[in-house]
Amino acid sequence: SYELTQPSSVSVSPGQTASITCSGDKLGDKYVCWYQQKPGQSPVLVMYQDSKRPSGIPERFSGSNSGNTATLTISGTQAMDEADYYCQAWDSGTALFGGGTKLIVL
Amino acid sequence: EVQLVQSGAEVKKPGESLKISCQGSGYSFSNFWIDWVRQMPGKGLEWMGTIYPDDSDTRYSPSFQGQVTISADRSVSTAFLQWGSLKASDTAIYYCARRSASYTGGYYYYSMDVWGRGTTVTVS
Repeated sequence: SYELTQPSSVSVSPGQTASITCSGDKLGDKYVCWYQQKPGQSPVLVMYQDSKRPSGIPERFSGSNSGNTATLTISGTQAMDEADYYCQAWDSGTALFGGGTKLIVL
Repeated sequence: EVQLVQSGAEVKKPGESLKISCQGSGYSFSNFWIDWVRQMPGKGLEWMGTIYPDDSDTRYSPSFQGQVTISADRSVSTAFLQWGSLKASDTAIYYCARRSASYTGGYYYYSMDVWGRGTTVTVS
């Protein structure tokens, strides 16, 4: 079965750039969404169709997808960006989530 | 405002049945797929399945096929997730989410753009 692999955690200093990766076989042939989940809250869509930002998502969030890896990039990371991030792709009509990455802003 | 309102927290005993709900408002409920997602305590998101309320076309993740039943009543803009016999391992938060589609270059691209607040199910 198809799997999406994310690092368990990523650390970044405030104001720096954070990159969260999501790996899967020929993932670049699929399109990827990213969700942000803060403690005790529901997930929020922050990126769709690899690199499109929903309304209300800050411009510092960007995305890319090529080869076997999709990347969510947060430029000028702020303390409020500390959260769990999940990549998600569609495979044969079903949705697949990566295991999630905890973004630590320190 | 587009929103999904989920039913309240449940505490059940093993072997009991349960049906939780997700009511949509602010959009044409019948014409958007509703996805169900499980989050076990301290764990990640798992896609369970989906339903298209207009015709009740339903798809399940292989991991959840036969374990739960997804249904919908478009007359009250509500989707449901139900168990016939709960297990302790069903303890989790269950989210419903609206699946939105964007059409680009001849293809539809889907994303879960609106989420409910989740229903906490405790089986003990």
